[in-house]
Amino acid sequence: DVKVTQSSRYLVKRTGEKVFLECVQDMDHENMFWYRQDPGLGLRLIYFSYDVKMKEKGDIPEGYSVSREKKERFSLILESASTNQTSMYLCATTRTADEGPQHFGDGTRLSIL
Amino acid sequence: DQQVKQNSPSLSVQEGRISILNCDYTNSMFDYFLWYKKYPAEGPTFLISISSIKDKNEDGRFTVFLNKSAKHLSLHIVPSQPGDSAVYFCAGDFGQNFVFGPGTRLSVLP
Repeated sequence: DVKVTQSSRYLVKRTGEKVFLECVQDMDHENMFWYRQDPGLGLRLIYFSYDVKMKEKGDIPEGYSVSREKKERFSLILESASTNQTSMYLCATTRTADEGPQHFGDGTRLSIL
Repeated sequence: DQQVKQNSPSLSVQEGRISILNCDYTNSMFDYFLWYKKYPAEGPTFLISISSIKDKNEDGRFTVFLNKSAKHLSLHIVPSQPGDSAVYFCAGDFGQNFVFGPGTRLSVLP
């Protein structure tokens, strides 16, 4: 079974802080994704990566950056956290570019005060 | 502009009856559609999918129907069980570009 692990289930940070959300997968998957989930909006793609050191912007990349130095780890960075970034953040992976369903982590609920 | 719409935020069904969850899309580029189920405090889990070249896919109690001309798909759960109570997300996919709907919360009443 694929295991996608997000480092924190709950996180509380202050406005202006730099925030790191970590995601680790154990199945050598090529593609990794970061989403945020908000009520009534579903899951919106922030960034994704299809290889080490590669990244692509999703639908809502503003205020975020990502890092993929190793295949198994994909980090989401909030450069200067703002209250509108309070949300549930979900990491997902797929094995290759041809594989359909994504495997998700359990999410990080981030509150920015 | 929402490319994938789930117009019912919630749905309640009696145990043993059929649950029908609906999804509409606008992007003709989608070549694959997926349904995910999400329990509170957990990530979404993949449920069932359908290729755009098919109109039906069945897996146990779950069946997905696709009507391409209407740009509409639906998930049928028969019979519904209390453990099916969750939020269901529909997603369209083209070239690893997954677009999710806002979700429908299903409550199966005992």
